[in-house]
Amino acid sequence: DVKVTQSSRYLVKRTGEKVFLECVQDMDHENMFWYRQDPGLGLRLIYFSYDVKMKEKGDIPEGYSVSREKKERFSLILESASTNQTSMYLCASSFPEYGYTFGSGTRLTVV
Amino acid sequence: AQSVTQLGSHVSVSEGALVLLRCNYSSSVPPYLFWYVQYPNQGLQLLLKYTSAATLVKGINGFEAEFKKSETSFHLTKPSAHMSDAAEYFCAVNRRALTFGSGTRLQVQP
Repeated sequence: DVKVTQSSRYLVKRTGEKVFLECVQDMDHENMFWYRQDPGLGLRLIYFSYDVKMKEKGDIPEGYSVSREKKERFSLILESASTNQTSMYLCASSFPEYGYTFGSGTRLTVV
Repeated sequence: AQSVTQLGSHVSVSEGALVLLRCNYSSSVPPYLFWYVQYPNQGLQLLLKYTSAATLVKGINGFEAEFKKSETSFHLTKPSAHMSDAAEYFCAVNRRALTFGSGTRLQVQP
């Protein structure tokens, strides 16, 4: 089975900090994605990547950036964390046209 | 642009009753459609997917969904609810990446 691992289950950070959320997949998938999940809003796409060193903005990229230096790793970066970025962050990977495999999520609290 | 709308943020059924979770899509071309389930404190798990091969799609855990082009719907059903079905369910459509509905939380009463 494909495994998508998010490095932290829970994180608490201070306003203004630079935050790194790490995601690693072990099945050589080309595509990787970052979503945030908020009650009543479902999952919203932040950024995605179809290949190494390639990135595309999703629906809500403001305040975020990403890095994909290796195929298996996709990092989400909060340049200067703010309280409105308190959320559940979900990483996923896939081959084209197949369903996505999700990690367990990182619950980030910004205080 | 492709999107999905889930009707009902909360659905409550009795154990053994029919489960019906509603999803409508907007798309100018036949889309790829998905249903995912999220159990408490877990990531999302694929239940089933429609890729135009057959309009009635069977998934895991006894769930199925029917693609109805005339109604632009892809509702999820299960004939008999079990306590373990309590979770949040998301409908999604494949755009440049998966676009999700707002989710429906299913409660199953004993």
